[in-house]
Amino acid sequence: DVKVTQSSRYLVKRTGEKVFLECVQDMDHENMFWYRQDPGLGLRLIYFSYDVKMKEKGDIPEGYSVSREKKERFSLILESASTNQTSMYLCASSFRTIQETQYFGPGTRLLVL
Amino acid sequence: AQKVTQAQTEISVVEKEDVTLDCVYETRDTTYYLFWYKQPPSGELVFLIRRNSFDEQNEISGRYSWNFQKSTSSFNFTITASQVVDSAVYFCALSEEEYGNKLVFGAGTILRVKS
Repeated sequence: DVKVTQSSRYLVKRTGEKVFLECVQDMDHENMFWYRQDPGLGLRLIYFSYDVKMKEKGDIPEGYSVSREKKERFSLILESASTNQTSMYLCASSFRTIQETQYFGPGTRLLVL
Repeated sequence: AQKVTQAQTEISVVEKEDVTLDCVYETRDTTYYLFWYKQPPSGELVFLIRRNSFDEQNEISGRYSWNFQKSTSSFNFTITASQVVDSAVYFCALSEEEYGNKLVFGAGTILRVKS
């Protein structure tokens, strides 16, 4: 079974704090993704990575950065958290080719006060 | 323009009713993939099905069935004899060859099944 884990299920942070969200997958997938989910908007892609140390911007990268130092681990960084980054964050991974299914972690609910 | 439209924001049914969740997509690619995911209250997205653009055969898996029609750009999902455990948010998503492995999601449909 594919396993994607995320470091926290719930996080509460203050405005201006630096926030790290971690994601680990155990299936040797090349691709990893970070999405945010907001009511009525579905999931929107923030960043993705198709290899170690490689990253590409998704649809809403502003205010975020990512790091992929090892194949199994993909980190999302909020450099200076703001209240409009309160959301559900979902990590996913897949093999590289287009038809491959993305498998998701349990999500992190982030509240920025 | 939205590439994946799930026009039904929320649907409520009584247990044992059949329910269909609509998904309309938009693409210029000839090679693309369509997906359905289920998100129960626990939050994790669970993969249900993947369909490629060259395979228009309908699929049935237990109480779930999917109807793919390229002529109307639709990929609808039907749950037969719904159960309370089917209550969840359901997402339809599109992956296009032009954009690699990226998924574009619809806004989701909340399904509530009452006993």
